[in-house]
Amino acid sequence: AQSVAQPEDQVNVAEGNPLTVKCTYSVSGNPYLFWYVQYPNRGLQFLLKYITGDNLVKGSYGFEAEFNKSQTSFHLKKPSALVSDSALYFCAVRDPNSGYSTLTFGKGTMLLVSP
Amino acid sequence: NAGVTQTPKFQVLKTGQSMTLQCAQDMNHNSMYWYRQDPGMGLRLIYYSASEGTTDKGEVPNGYNVSRLNKREFSLRLESAAPSQTSVYFCASSEMAAVDQPQHFGDGTRLSIL
Repeated sequence: AQSVAQPEDQVNVAEGNPLTVKCTYSVSGNPYLFWYVQYPNRGLQFLLKYITGDNLVKGSYGFEAEFNKSQTSFHLKKPSALVSDSALYFCAVRDPNSGYSTLTFGKGTMLLVSP
Repeated sequence: NAGVTQTPKFQVLKTGQSMTLQCAQDMNHNSMYWYRQDPGMGLRLIYYSASEGTTDKGEVPNGYNVSRLNKREFSLRLESAAPSQTSVYFCASSEMAAVDQPQHFGDGTRLSIL
């Protein structure tokens, strides 16, 4: 079975500082990993994904994520946070070795960026 | 450029009432999904449809039914609503199911059951 853990319910960071939102996963094979962002009263929006290749993947709005196979982690990062980055962030995993398989989402991490 | 459209946006029901949540996508996607979002629990998959003509149960299917009406539309029905079904419901679609395609989400239906 595949699972995702987001150990922090909330992350607080000052505008202009770097931010990290943590995600760890568990799958039987090589994972497909995704980050989504949710703004208030909106659906989830795709940010970036890791499928294979370079461990550092870049996505929308200046976000990037680093895949670490040995630590089974896929942390979301941004060098300089903006107040407008404040939102709920979800990590998700899919195990491609499971045949047809669905995404499993973490419980979400609220990011609050203060001015 | 609508993407995934869900109707209604808000609904209040009484226990025991039934209703159908509608979802339509205009991206010619093969796969569609229904999730519910509850505080502190992330998104949980209710049902999905890998392709037109097929539907399968997800993690929390009890109390729900679905219909893949055509390639564009995927509806979710609550036959006898219960307070435990108070939630925000999201419909999503993706180009294909078993590959590396991201899912595209609607803006949700906020459902309260009294």
